[in-house]
Amino acid sequence: GAVVSQHPSWVICKSGTSVKIECRSLDFQATTMFWYRQFPKQSLMLMATSNEGSKATYEQGVEKDKFLINHASLTLSTLTVTSAHPEDSSFYICSARWDRGNNEQFFGPGTRLTVL
Amino acid sequence: AQTVTQSQPEMSVQEAETVTLSCTYDTSESDYYLFWYKQPPSRQMILVIRQEAYKQQNATENRFSVNFQKAAKSFSLKISDSQLGDAAMYFCAFLSNYQLIWGAGTKLIIKP
Repeated sequence: GAVVSQHPSWVICKSGTSVKIECRSLDFQATTMFWYRQFPKQSLMLMATSNEGSKATYEQGVEKDKFLINHASLTLSTLTVTSAHPEDSSFYICSARWDRGNNEQFFGPGTRLTVL
Repeated sequence: AQTVTQSQPEMSVQEAETVTLSCTYDTSESDYYLFWYKQPPSRQMILVIRQEAYKQQNATENRFSVNFQKAAKSFSLKISDSQLGDAAMYFCAFLSNYQLIWGAGTKLIIKP
């Protein structure tokens, strides 16, 4: 149990286009999901906390108009990178906090975004 | 602000030997959770072990165990009988207000 999926696993897009990444908790409900960005050989950087039915909370320095987050249901959060540029190329990871769990976060497999 | 420090960017160990990865943290909270995560080349984050601060007993999961020293704010991970599949990045993390605070990671190399 406690599986989190991400789709797509990798995506290549042209500069200026928008890309949507989905994060789903497959077998549990998650009121709260998290979006991270990871640069090569570095740790995870929290971008935002996604809350079902309300606006996401963004970390300092993360442009909310650039990285749109929607958490429309208890099992799905989406991250849309708008007007993507090469500097947005990165590995994006989501995690979901099980509502009935003990504060553990379950991680998706990540999405590698390359912007040409 | 809470911080997590992993002072070993890279560690190597001979297969079947034991290795200890260090982690220290800083917090003013008295009740919290600490985690060790493994990130293999696939980049999927895998929970290795968790420790609840109010529990004095060190957590153990098969070949993985921790040395939790609350007063010293230290949370080291010991891997016994190292296997080739243990090769990965290991991240120490502190849970604060439902958010994870991450260390910089330690790359573990297993020598056959």
